[in-house]
Amino acid sequence: GAVVSQHPSRVICKSGTSVKIECRSLDFQATTMFWYRQFPKKSLMLMATSNEGSKATYEQGVEKDKFLINHASLTLSTLTVTSAHPEDSSFYICSASPTGLAVSYNEQFFGPGTRLTVL
Amino acid sequence: GQNIDQPTEMTATEGAIVQINCTYQTSGFNGLFWYQQHAGEAPTFLSYNVLDGLEEKGRFSSFLSRSKGYSYLLLKELQMKDSASYLCAVDEDGNYGQNFVFGPGTRLSVLP
Repeated sequence: GAVVSQHPSRVICKSGTSVKIECRSLDFQATTMFWYRQFPKKSLMLMATSNEGSKATYEQGVEKDKFLINHASLTLSTLTVTSAHPEDSSFYICSASPTGLAVSYNEQFFGPGTRLTVL
Repeated sequence: GQNIDQPTEMTATEGAIVQINCTYQTSGFNGLFWYQQHAGEAPTFLSYNVLDGLEEKGRFSSFLSRSKGYSYLLLKELQMKDSASYLCAVDEDGNYGQNFVFGPGTRLSVLP
């Protein structure tokens, strides 16, 4: 089946530093990947849609200069949280849908998530 | 606009049956998904409905009525490990054909 990995799984950083989170599709290509943020006991909130070879599309209220997204290849998207602050502490999850495959529906496959804690 | 509603919390007893409802109003519809998510983990796929009716998969079944904007997830023979959040998500078929909107999630607690 389709597998999506994320790295790191957990990161603790100091306020003001930047953190990069990688999302990889391991056995399929993904033209589009999605980045979500999840607060404790809350649902997933779509932050942005990451497009291979072009700029990401950000949801309303998400600062694109703070959450930098780069979709460098068909199997890798990165989310960089710049100048992180404690309020950025959250669970970040990426997902991807296989492209170029005969799929019956647009199922999204989720990465295992990255727990970010900003001190 | 987008609006997906689910009950916030539900409690049921081991061995029982529970139904989790989801109502939606979205700008488009290309299918409805149910995911299970344990705390601190990624969501895992449970079911997909795009046509009206019931889809059964083992202990889990999912129902869809497109005219009513309504779906439910039915869990039978509840087990303790079924304690988790259950997320309803609609594929809106947006610009990229893969525009998911998630409901708030229902936290299910299964008691012995």
